[in-house]
Amino acid sequence: DQQVKQNSPSLSVQEGRISILNCDYTNSMFDYFLWYKKYPAEGPTFLISISSIKDKNEDGRFTVFLNKSAKHLSLHIVPSQPGDSAVYFCAARGAGGTSYGKLTFGQGTILTVHP
Amino acid sequence: NAGVTQTPKFRVLKTGQSMTLLCAQDMNHEYMYWYRQDPGMGLRLIHYSVGEGTTAKGEVPDGYNVSRLKKQNFLLGLESAAPSQTSVYFCASREGLDGYTFGSGTRLTVV
Repeated sequence: DQQVKQNSPSLSVQEGRISILNCDYTNSMFDYFLWYKKYPAEGPTFLISISSIKDKNEDGRFTVFLNKSAKHLSLHIVPSQPGDSAVYFCAARGAGGTSYGKLTFGQGTILTVHP
Repeated sequence: NAGVTQTPKFRVLKTGQSMTLLCAQDMNHEYMYWYRQDPGMGLRLIHYSVGEGTTAKGEVPDGYNVSRLKKQNFLLGLESAAPSQTSVYFCASREGLDGYTFGSGTRLTVV
């Protein structure tokens, strides 16, 4: 039972264009959402996050949008650069004291940005 | 400024062998986690710890044991390795909401 889903295994984009990565979740108790970026042979690194009380968070070229009614979030990268080529994981944190900050991850989307 | 260090980086085991993966963090984080990454599955939580001397089961704990005898170390043990445990294992520690720091991973192959 995949509670966090990234339905696109891969995405290919031209340099300078917008990259949109999507993520859907089923558990309405999630209260915090994060995006991680992972290069080969490295661990995931934090990219951007959003609280469930917001619908948008922006950090430079990266913007995350949250649609709670649709249980959907997306990551926009504008403009895309070849160095953005990596695997992107969506993650969600359970609310409540017993969650202990555990994250539930999606399957990941491989982004390739072509020069 | 090491962050989270995992050893070993690579290992090949025969079915039935045992081994321990070591995770060490130098950031004084209370929370530590072990995940495994498999193709098409994302990262799945194996075990976690909310402080020295504590451990708890995650989403896929079967076949693994953990110990947190010291705050800075979180050990993941495989008592009798199986081919289904072939995976990339990531350790992480946490401070605050965004503060997950991951190690660079251990690639384990069980033949």
